[in-house]
Amino acid sequence: QVQLQESGPGLVKPSETLSLTCTVSGGSISTHYWNWIRQPPGKGLEWIGYIYYSGRTNYNSSLRSRVTMFLDMSKNQFSLKLTSVTAADTAVYYCARDVRGADNFDLWGQGTLVTVSS
Amino acid sequence: QSVLTQPPSASGTPGQRVTISCSGSSSNIGSNTVNWYQQFPGTAPKLLIYSNNQRPSGVPDRFSGSKSGTSASLAISGLQSEDEADYYCASWDDSLNGYVFGSGTKVTVL
Repeated sequence: QVQLQESGPGLVKPSETLSLTCTVSGGSISTHYWNWIRQPPGKGLEWIGYIYYSGRTNYNSSLRSRVTMFLDMSKNQFSLKLTSVTAADTAVYYCARDVRGADNFDLWGQGTLVTVSS
Repeated sequence: QSVLTQPPSASGTPGQRVTISCSGSSSNIGSNTVNWYQQFPGTAPKLLIYSNNQRPSGVPDRFSGSKSGTSASLAISGLQSEDEADYYCASWDDSLNGYVFGSGTKVTVL
């Protein structure tokens, strides 16, 4: 079955760039909407944005100036870059699939904790 | 501050029925479907209810969802100890052009 797995550094310094990758196994990335969602420790969920298999993106307006997402079809991966991070960006970051867009997240990765600290 | 409003907590004894509310607006719940996610500590959320009232394969039928106007509800009938978790509602918001989540409700089985 299709599985998602996040990877990337667990510690990022303030003002630097957070970079994460989600590897899709058991299925192709060349369809559906691929999302990033985060959850600060002890808090609720926040949608970061999605990238469609065509490459079209849509980002949360509160993060738009700092977020970039892209696909790597050859590796069946999609990635997130978040620039100029602060302690407020410390969170568990999840990748998730939305089959039809503006619909629901039917498949999630296990999540990866990223801490912003010097 | 979340766009969708949920009570922070709900509780019940085993076998009871518990209901969680989710209040939104015309730009989200009022014009789009509502989904519910269940999350246990230290694990990723799991899709529990989609399209207002549909259960994915494997979700027990004691979980049910409903929507009316700009509000939605999740009901757990025959509450069990393993239902102790956090529950989040979510919907697409046409004004924000993005997904929005509720603040989450922690369900405790007494």
